Amino acid sequence: GESVGLHLPTLSVQEGDNSIINCAYSNSASDYFIWYKQESGKGPQFIIDIRSNMDKRQGQRVTVLLNKTVKHLSLQIAATQPGDSAVYFCAEGSQGNLIFGKGTKLSVKP
Amino acid sequence: NAGVTQTPKFQVLKTGQSMTLQCAQDMNHNSMYWYRQDPGMGLRLIYYSASEGTTDKGEVPNGYNVSRLNKREFSLRLESAAPSQTSVYFCATTGIGRGGPTDTQYFGPGTRLTVL
Repeated sequence: GESVGLHLPTLSVQEGDNSIINCAYSNSASDYFIWYKQESGKGPQFIIDIRSNMDKRQGQRVTVLLNKTVKHLSLQIAATQPGDSAVYFCAEGSQGNLIFGKGTKLSVKP
Repeated sequence: NAGVTQTPKFQVLKTGQSMTLQCAQDMNHNSMYWYRQDPGMGLRLIYYSASEGTTDKGEVPNGYNVSRLNKREFSLRLESAAPSQTSVYFCATTGIGRGGPTDTQYFGPGTRLTVL
């Protein structure tokens, strides 16, 4: 299987519960932020993004919150499903270049 | 529309062998990227191409070369493979074109390379 999940923080949630995945970013000048989902054996998949002039953005079952004061980003997944099991990582960007976090492994218990 | 495609999916090399990883996109994006992903680490940028005809080094370029063949294709070459280059390699694209926010990078499925 995919070894990208080794040595990553793991969040284990019950199916149907809400999940919150956190990310600290480093560059106060970053002007956009992206959350990706990576399933075992696959490439990263775009979930949702947010610009630095916003503090909240909602998608389908997902919400991203941005706190620029403490350089913190979070991804909330509502009603977590088994198909949400994956590694999630954030990326901070400026002028087309991205810096990626190491990721958090989400495990959903049926 | 396939998005971003990569070939091969898997490859095993012996130390010192060479190979080229291929990436193609049909999203009409200007910028293309090559990353490597190692266990427990974030994606690290090897090389990128902001537009056709230009290439620039990323964070970990040593041991690699790239060619932006045309707007669609961006290849990564290992001239003399080393065990430290065992990794999963991802190609990505971004830019004004089909699909999504212009700053978002869209990834291919990856090439899993093992160097013995």
